[in-house]
Amino acid sequence: GENVEQHPSTLSVQEGDSAVIKCTYSDSASNYFPWYKQELGKGPQLIIDIRSNVGEKKDQRIAVTLNKTAKHFSLHITETQPEDSAVYFCAAIYDKVIFGPGTSLSVIP
Amino acid sequence: EAGVVQSPRYKIIEKKQPVAFWCNPISGHNTLYWYLQNLGQGPELLIRYENEEAVDDSQLPKDRFSAERLKGVDSTLKIQPAELGDSAVYLCASSPLSGAGELFFGEGSRLTVL
Repeated sequence: GENVEQHPSTLSVQEGDSAVIKCTYSDSASNYFPWYKQELGKGPQLIIDIRSNVGEKKDQRIAVTLNKTAKHFSLHITETQPEDSAVYFCAAIYDKVIFGPGTSLSVIP
Repeated sequence: EAGVVQSPRYKIIEKKQPVAFWCNPISGHNTLYWYLQNLGQGPELLIRYENEEAVDDSQLPKDRFSAERLKGVDSTLKIQPAELGDSAVYLCASSPLSGAGELFFGEGSRLTVL
């Protein structure tokens, strides 16, 4: 079926440390995997995405890795800052965009 | 460039009352989505429009929910009558391409049903 699992549900890190969020998807997902960041009271905003023809993509302090064999992809945030505190959603494309349940990240100054 | 605009931002109503939410997508975006977001969960698709045509409304509870996108631009989502379980954030999103690519979300309409 169409399903995206995401772990952990909550994550606290010290400022400057790294944060990793992992997602898995089912067999029939398409080849596009976006990550969204949602700040309190706002709508989700795309921060990075990856297509299946690459294994890793990096944009400054954030990176995403994709393992199609294992059907999982991960978000990596390095040198975390307080403004990184938010809820992060992974997603996969089936016949529609399916979002994971979200990870609430807290960066402690 | 203006983003996706939604109104109202907040709405409090009593159960069995009607409510309507409005969305104006980014100019030129043919695809419009309405998502439901319950507290602590990811967005769930209610309906997707390609221009004025609803191409996926399989998750829309049609007994009480309705939506329209006249002229293929702005859209309205209506609930009548509202139930306690409808309390949630209703997100509107738009995209220039259908089925893939970045979704641009509005700030959402938070509904509280008492």
